[in-house]
Amino acid sequence: AQSVTQLGSHVSVSEGALVLLRCNYSSSVPPYLFWYVQYPNQGLQLLLKYTSAATLVKGINGFEAEFKKSETSFHLTKPSAHMSDAAEYFCAVSVDGGSQGNLIFGKGTKLSVKP
Amino acid sequence: DAMVIQNPRYQVTQFGKPVTLSCSQTLNHNVMYWYQQKSSQAPKLLFHYYDKDFNNEADTPDNFQSRRPNTSFCFLDIRSPGLGDAAMYLCAASKVNQETQYFGPGTRLLVL
Repeated sequence: AQSVTQLGSHVSVSEGALVLLRCNYSSSVPPYLFWYVQYPNQGLQLLLKYTSAATLVKGINGFEAEFKKSETSFHLTKPSAHMSDAAEYFCAVSVDGGSQGNLIFGKGTKLSVKP
Repeated sequence: DAMVIQNPRYQVTQFGKPVTLSCSQTLNHNVMYWYQQKSSQAPKLLFHYYDKDFNNEADTPDNFQSRRPNTSFCFLDIRSPGLGDAAMYLCAASKVNQETQYFGPGTRLLVL
């Protein structure tokens, strides 16, 4: 069965520091992978997605993620954290690559940014 | 801008009193979803519609029902809310055979 594991429920960085949020997946078939961001009391906003094209995916707000099949990872990075990046981040895998409802989320990582 | 809209943003109901949450989308997408997200947890899929075809997740309680009268609108009905149903309810939409789900802002339900 497909699954997603996000390492670290809470990550704290200083403003201007590197952001690294970890995500590992398990899938028996080539996965589609996503990162979503959720600000307090808001819905989820798509940051970026991997759909078997380029392994390095660039998203909005300066975020990017690299798909590494050998490590079954899809870690999210940003070179320089900004205060506005403080939010909760969810990694997700799509089981069949389609839109049939099988989007499986990780438990989320809450990012704090210190001044 | 095309979007997914949820009303109301906050809903208070009483234990056992039926409540309906609303979702609409201007994306003209074929698939609509309802998720339940409890505090500090990941969103959990309750069900989805592929056009008019209803797909229920195996572990979604019977207390939760849904209606999709047309492409644009989808409703979540909770027949007898319990205290454990207090959560954020997220609606999403996606195209057929596309991978990206677009989410609304959510409705936070409080059960007294």
